[in-house]
Amino acid sequence: QVQLKESGPGLVQPSQTLSLTCTVSGFSLTSYNVHWVRQPPGKGLEWMGRMRYNGDTSYNSALKSRLSISRDTSKNQVFLKMNSLQTDDTGTYYCTRNWDYWGQGVMVTVSS
Amino acid sequence: DVVMTQTPPSLSVAIGQSVSISCKSSQSLVASDKNTYLNWLLQSPGRSPKRLIYQVSKLDSGVPDRFSGSGSEKDFTLKISRVEAEDLGVYYCLQGTHLPQTFGGGTKLELK
Repeated sequence: QVQLKESGPGLVQPSQTLSLTCTVSGFSLTSYNVHWVRQPPGKGLEWMGRMRYNGDTSYNSALKSRLSISRDTSKNQVFLKMNSLQTDDTGTYYCTRNWDYWGQGVMVTVSS
Repeated sequence: DVVMTQTPPSLSVAIGQSVSISCKSSQSLVASDKNTYLNWLLQSPGRSPKRLIYQVSKLDSGVPDRFSGSGSEKDFTLKISRVEAEDLGVYYCLQGTHLPQTFGGGTKLELK
């Protein structure tokens, strides 16, 4: 069955880089888009960017200068890297297969 | 960026009642392929979002037909007939026609 699972550090220091991995199963990354979405505590959802099935990427313009999304199709993984983290980057980060399947999310706290 | 305006921000309902949520976009969501990429998601407390409806009115597999979506161009509505306890949570509209993809601010459905 289709599954997505986010992994990464729960705590990141301010100004450091966040690295998250979305490991998928039950489908091919060369057939579906995968999006990254984040949610600050108690707030709404924000689209961060996507990895298209063909390897192209698109980013939220507000994050574009700090954000990079890549993949390793042989490992069924999509990666998110975001630098210069600040406290308002704290939240839950989700990966989703074109909105129909979602990971459980990973909570990231930016704090010294 | 396309702004998605959801109303009301919260709803207090009794079980068995019917409710409607509005979502208005700042631009037409009709894509060049003539499809309209408007989704409705539900985030139950402590859970990842779950898509209920895609392309305005198509129900995802397993979604009860108490849910229905309608609308066109810039004006969309989610209707829930005969609300059940499992329907409580925050509903989001999401447009996938334009980049960046954008969410509405959410509508919190609570028990009266």
